Amino acid sequence: EVQVVESGGGLVRPGGSLRLSCAASGFTFSTSWMSWVRQAPGRGLEWVANIKQDGSEKNYVDAVKGRFTISRDNAKSSLFLQMSSLRDEDTAIYYCARGGGSLDYWGQGTLVTVSS
Amino acid sequence: EIVLTQSPATLSLSPGERATLSCRASQSVSSYLAWYQQKPGQAPRLLIYEASNRATGIPARFSGSGSGTDFTLTISSLEPEDFAVYYCRQRSNWPYSFGQGTKLEIK
Repeated sequence: EVQVVESGGGLVRPGGSLRLSCAASGFTFSTSWMSWVRQAPGRGLEWVANIKQDGSEKNYVDAVKGRFTISRDNAKSSLFLQMSSLRDEDTAIYYCARGGGSLDYWGQGTLVTVSS
Repeated sequence: EIVLTQSPATLSLSPGERATLSCRASQSVSSYLAWYQQKPGQAPRLLIYEASNRATGIPARFSGSGSGTDFTLTISSLEPEDFAVYYCRQRSNWPYSFGQGTKLEIK
């Protein structure tokens, strides 16, 4: 069974940092693009970043470029999102999903709250 | 940046009725369009990919059509579990983007 499980969310002050993790199982992680998508409370979906199988290609939405870094560890079937210089508008549920374009399996998400 | 506009924002129908949801792209996305269903407190679920292909395990009452800039998700006969928010998504050009969603509610 394919599973992706996010962790690492929490409350952080504006300007702070947080690292999200995603543990994948039930599929060959090393052959899959992976993505992070977020959803602000009561709002729609926003693609944050994606990363190629070997980590050689990464894409970011403009709103997070220069502040967030996506990475992966294929040996541990894990995906990461390092977030820094966090802003109020980064408050959202962050979902990890399999795929770089077609997101076919999603985790349940981890809530990040940026507030003073 | 490609903008996806979904209509209507809210659709009120009864179980057994046919639902037609629309997604329009600001420029051609070829067939690189998908549809997702999201229920409260849950992650989105992939329904349709590449405009017209049902994802694994998706019932046949869900169908997608269109190409270029105009796309449609059709639910042929609504079941009680189909009432949810539906999003379209393009992967033609980065940044990939989602529509703002259509809420399908029980009339």
